[in-house]
Amino acid sequence: SYVLIQSPSVSVAPGQTARITCGGNNIGSKSVHWYQQKAGQAPVVVVYHDSDRPSGIPERFSGSNSGDTATLTISRVEAGDEADYYCQVWDSNTDHPVFGGGTKLTVL
Amino acid sequence: EVQLVESGGGLVQPGGSLRLSCAASGFTFSSHWMSWVRQAPGKGLEWVANINQDGSEVDCVDSLKGRFTISRDNPKNSLHLQMNSLTPDDTAMYYCARGSGSSWYGYWGQGTLVIVSS
Repeated sequence: SYVLIQSPSVSVAPGQTARITCGGNNIGSKSVHWYQQKAGQAPVVVVYHDSDRPSGIPERFSGSNSGDTATLTISRVEAGDEADYYCQVWDSNTDHPVFGGGTKLTVL
Repeated sequence: EVQLVESGGGLVQPGGSLRLSCAASGFTFSSHWMSWVRQAPGKGLEWVANINQDGSEVDCVDSLKGRFTISRDNPKNSLHLQMNSLTPDDTAMYYCARGSGSSWYGYWGQGTLVIVSS
C-alpha cells in the first residue's frame, strides 16, 4: 500500500516560515490534502488539491507538490499555528485514503 | 451549517462490541459518501471505513475487515460503525467525516472516544 512519510516535528520562531514535507513515491502525480489538528480538536483542512485553500484559511498557508515530495508552507508563523499537520492522498491501487504520520509544529 | 455529531463511545472490555453513531445535519446526507477515521492516543490519523450514498458500496481497512462494519440510515441522517471483538489496539478517538477520502475531508465530527480495557 502507498506510504506517506512526514518528519515527526518542525520548530520555527514566530514570524518565520515553516515548511512541512510529505514524501511518497511519485506523490506529484497525486492530489495532496493537508489538515491541521490542534490539541483536543478534530482535524481541519488547510490546503486541498495540492495548493487550494478553503475559505477562512489564511493566505499564509500554501502548498506545493512535485516529484516525490509535497510541501505545506506556513509563512509568518504565529503561536496559534502550533498543531499537528497531516497530509492525505488517495491510493488508487487500493481505493483507500492514506494519511501521513503527522508533523508536530512547535512555535518557539 | 454542516454538523456531524458522534456518539456511542465508552469503556468496553476486550472481546466486547460497540456501535458508534454519527448524526448528520446541515446538508443532504443521502448525497454524500461518509467515512470513519480513528486516532489512537498520541498517534496519527487512520482511515477505518467508508460507505457510498445509498449504502450499496462499503469498504474497510484490511486489518479491520471481519470485525468492523460501516452502515448508514439515510432517513435518519445517521452513520454507524459496528465494532466487534474489540482489542486494546482499537482504543482511539473515532471521527466521522464527510466524503470517501478520494478527495479531501471538508467536515469532521468532534469524535467519540473508545477505550478497550479490562
